[in-house]
Amino acid sequence: AQKVTQAQTEISVVEKEDVTLDCVYETRDTTYYLFWYKQPPSGELVFLIRRNSFDEQNEISGRYSWNFQKSTSSFNFTITASQVVDSAVYFCALSEERAGKSTFGDGTTLTVKP
Amino acid sequence: GAGVSQTPSNKVTEKGKYVELRCDPISGHTALYWYRQSLGQGPEFLIYFQGTGAADDSGLPNDRFFAVRPEGSVSTLKIQRTERGDSAVYLCASSLKTGLNTEAFFGQGTRLTVV
Repeated sequence: AQKVTQAQTEISVVEKEDVTLDCVYETRDTTYYLFWYKQPPSGELVFLIRRNSFDEQNEISGRYSWNFQKSTSSFNFTITASQVVDSAVYFCALSEERAGKSTFGDGTTLTVKP
Repeated sequence: GAGVSQTPSNKVTEKGKYVELRCDPISGHTALYWYRQSLGQGPEFLIYFQGTGAADDSGLPNDRFFAVRPEGSVSTLKIQRTERGDSAVYLCASSLKTGLNTEAFFGQGTRLTVV
């Protein structure tokens, strides 16, 4: 069975601070995908990134960066120079090769204060 | 349409009643997913369709829950004899096809409250 754990329930930072959201996963498959989604107060899940299990290269997109480490089954997300608009709930998710569905963590609520 | 559309956005119903939740996926998307999100938790998979058929309904909690997608586009999630524990946000998502290398687009959800 697959499982995603986001140990940080809530994080609060001051604007311009860097913040890292942790994600640890469990799966028996060798082929899988990992995702991060942002859920603002409006409720819609916004796709941020998808990473396959064979690609351990870190990725940077503007102020966002992701660190995938297969050895520790982690896929952490860092926001550099956080902004108030980054305040949201962030979800990490896992999809296995033959499954159409994703397993989500319980989310981390990020609050960025001005 | 421009995105995944779910109606109604909010639904309040009495315990024991029947409800239908509708999802209009992005045009041309063959895969459609239903998730349920309870307060303070991540979305929980219910069912997904590839075309008209339910490819995986392992997440449906019991036989009070049923979903259809008769023409391979719009889907309806049906809940019979609603219970207070069914209160949650029901999310729908669609993707161009099933498979890992395809992005799923989510709707804004239907907030169901059973009183």
